[in-house]
Amino acid sequence: QVQLQQSGAELVRPGTSVKMSCKAAGYTFTNYWIGWVKQRPGHGLEWIGDIYPGGGYTNYNEKFKGKATLTADTSSSTAYMQLSSLTSEDSAIYYCARRYDGNYGFAYWGQGTLVTVSA
Amino acid sequence: QIVLTQSPALMSASPGEKVTMTCSASSSVSYMYWYQQKPRSSPKPWIYLTSNLASGVPARFSGSGSGTSYSLTISSMEAEDAATYYCQQWSSNPPITFGSGTKLEIK
Repeated sequence: QVQLQQSGAELVRPGTSVKMSCKAAGYTFTNYWIGWVKQRPGHGLEWIGDIYPGGGYTNYNEKFKGKATLTADTSSSTAYMQLSSLTSEDSAIYYCARRYDGNYGFAYWGQGTLVTVSA
Repeated sequence: QIVLTQSPALMSASPGEKVTMTCSASSSVSYMYWYQQKPRSSPKPWIYLTSNLASGVPARFSGSGSGTSYSLTISSMEAEDAATYYCQQWSSNPPITFGSGTKLEIK
């Protein structure tokens, strides 16, 4: 079955960067878009961007350009997101999610990575 | 960008009661997606392409709508349906936006 296994919680200092992972299993990694979604308490869900591992194509929410960088390693079926110049506003749970085949909803979600930005 | 407004933000229903929540888009969209999220869990796909139930979703749920107005309906509320429901749309720029959620509680 399809699984997305995300890396563990991170405690990071303001101004630094963090890179989190999303390891896919149970399907052909290169054939589906993977998106990343941010969730802060009281702020609902926010789409950051997505990547198509088969060609490395990316789409970003304008708000997260310069903040997030999406990459994928097809040899390990793992998607990555790096967040830079971290502030307290970046403290959140970050989910990776795989799209449905042929449409723009998210059919499978990872368990989330909690990022806490604190000095 | 297309803004999705969900209403109500908070609602409660008694077991057996019919529940309807809405998602209004600032511009016309082709389809709507819905997710269910319970505390300390990831969102779960619930309804896709406006009216199709995701795998495992009970038949008491339904989705409908078109243009700028969409809704999720529960024909008969059950305790396990208590959760927050988010709508999501796709358009050209930015491609994906979510609503702010409707929190559904059991009375």
